Amino acid sequence: KAGVTQTPRYLIKTRGQQVTLSCSPISGHRSVSWYQQTPGQGLQFLFEYFSETQRNKGNFPGRFSGRQFSNSRSEMNVSTLELGDSALYLCASSPSRGDENIQYFGAGTRLSVL
Amino acid sequence: QKEVEQDPGPLSVPEGAIVSLNCTYSNSAFQYFMWYRQYSRKGPELLMYTYSSGNKEDGRFTAQVDKSSKYISLFIRDSQPSDSATYLCAMSEWGTGRRALTFGSGTRLQVQP
Repeated sequence: KAGVTQTPRYLIKTRGQQVTLSCSPISGHRSVSWYQQTPGQGLQFLFEYFSETQRNKGNFPGRFSGRQFSNSRSEMNVSTLELGDSALYLCASSPSRGDENIQYFGAGTRLSVL
Repeated sequence: QKEVEQDPGPLSVPEGAIVSLNCTYSNSAFQYFMWYRQYSRKGPELLMYTYSSGNKEDGRFTAQVDKSSKYISLFIRDSQPSDSATYLCAMSEWGTGRRALTFGSGTRLQVQP
C-alpha cells in the first residue's frame, strides 16, 4: 500500500508570493491533516480535513488555507509569503474507522522563502 | 508552559545499550500516545501507539504510559546505529472532537558503533 505522497518535495519562493502544496493520502484514508515543522517551534498543527470539510483548525493566520477534494487528496495554500513561513510542511492521513487518531505522515514539502 | 515536554537531548549511547526516552504532559484529555522516529530531512515515521494506559511491546521497542503521572516512555533495547534519529512523542484527545496531534520537541538520539 502506498504511503502519503506530498508534492513538490522542495520549493523556493520569495516574500509576497503564494504557494500551493499537494498531498495524496493513503488509499482508503479520508482524513488529512497538515502540520508545520520549524526548528524553533517544532511540529504545529495547521488544520484537518475530512470528507471535503475542515474539521479542526490550529492557531495560524488566515494566510494559511486548505481544501480537500472528493478523492480525499488535499491542498494547502499560503498567500503573501513571509520569511517566517520557511518550514517543512507535513501532511498526515488517518483511517476513517478504528484508530482514527493515528496519523501517518508523508515526507513533507520543504519551503524556503527568500 | 507547553502541553507536552520532552528533553531535546542530544542523547549519545554505545551500540547495544538500552535507551529510555520520555515525555510529560499536562492535558488530562490526552488518550492516544504515539512515538514517531524522524530521520534528517524525512517525515516522521510512526513507531508505536498506545490508547490510554499500559505497556506495548514491538520487537526491540516498548512503549509505556502512566496516566496517573502524565508520563510516557519509549524503551529501545539492543540499540543500533540505524536507530540514530530524532524521536518525537505525540498525543491526542479522544471524545472531544479534537484529533490534532500535540508533539514534544523531539529527542535527538545518537547510537555510537
